[in-house]
Amino acid sequence: GAGVSQSPSNKVTEKGKDVELRCDPISGHTALYWYRQSLGQGLEFLIYFQGNSAPDKSGLPSDRFSAERTGGSVSTLTIQRTQQEDSAVYLCASSSGTSVQETQYFGPGTRLLVL
Amino acid sequence: AQSVTQLGSHVSVSEGALVLLRCNYSSSVPPYLFWYVQYPNQGLQLLLKYTSAATLVKGINGFEAEFKKSETSFHLTKPSAHMSDAAEYFCAVSAWGSQGNLIFGKGTKLSVKP
Repeated sequence: GAGVSQSPSNKVTEKGKDVELRCDPISGHTALYWYRQSLGQGLEFLIYFQGNSAPDKSGLPSDRFSAERTGGSVSTLTIQRTQQEDSAVYLCASSSGTSVQETQYFGPGTRLLVL
Repeated sequence: AQSVTQLGSHVSVSEGALVLLRCNYSSSVPPYLFWYVQYPNQGLQLLLKYTSAATLVKGINGFEAEFKKSETSFHLTKPSAHMSDAAEYFCAVSAWGSQGNLIFGKGTKLSVKP
């Protein structure tokens, strides 16, 4: 079946511009996660959505980062006024439940380069 | 707070040799532990996970890992490396009470020489 998809696969932007990254989770998965993978910091958790509950934003690095999940499915991660340190691969994952035992399935990522 | 430490950012083995990738965890509560693999330009794929059942966990592609509480370790092994195993491997922890977000180690890049 279809896995997690992300778009665009690559994004080049200029410093100060806003960008939107999209994630389509596996159909029926109620939990959705965003992570960031960068050379200096490794893989970092950003934000978590579960069903209609308020998201866990504890990993967002600054208020320039926000995310929403419409209709419990597609999610968009928005970075405002991008900075060069935002350059990274942004990974989305989904899982079928809330248990910590649930496997998270990852998308291929969006590679963001801020010039 | 939970954390994982992967010893060795790069490991190189010959084809057919034993693969050993090290992971130590820190957790004040019983941990759930995961190994993921990332092939070039791809997302992460689950290799195996420990969820407090058997301490020896078998995963895909011939990999296995053993949970050792006394050593706070969850090392990943494979008896015989294959060229296709060349990738980056990440150990991760998710503890009781969390909402499931994973805390990853820095990763170990495995190279396999012919």
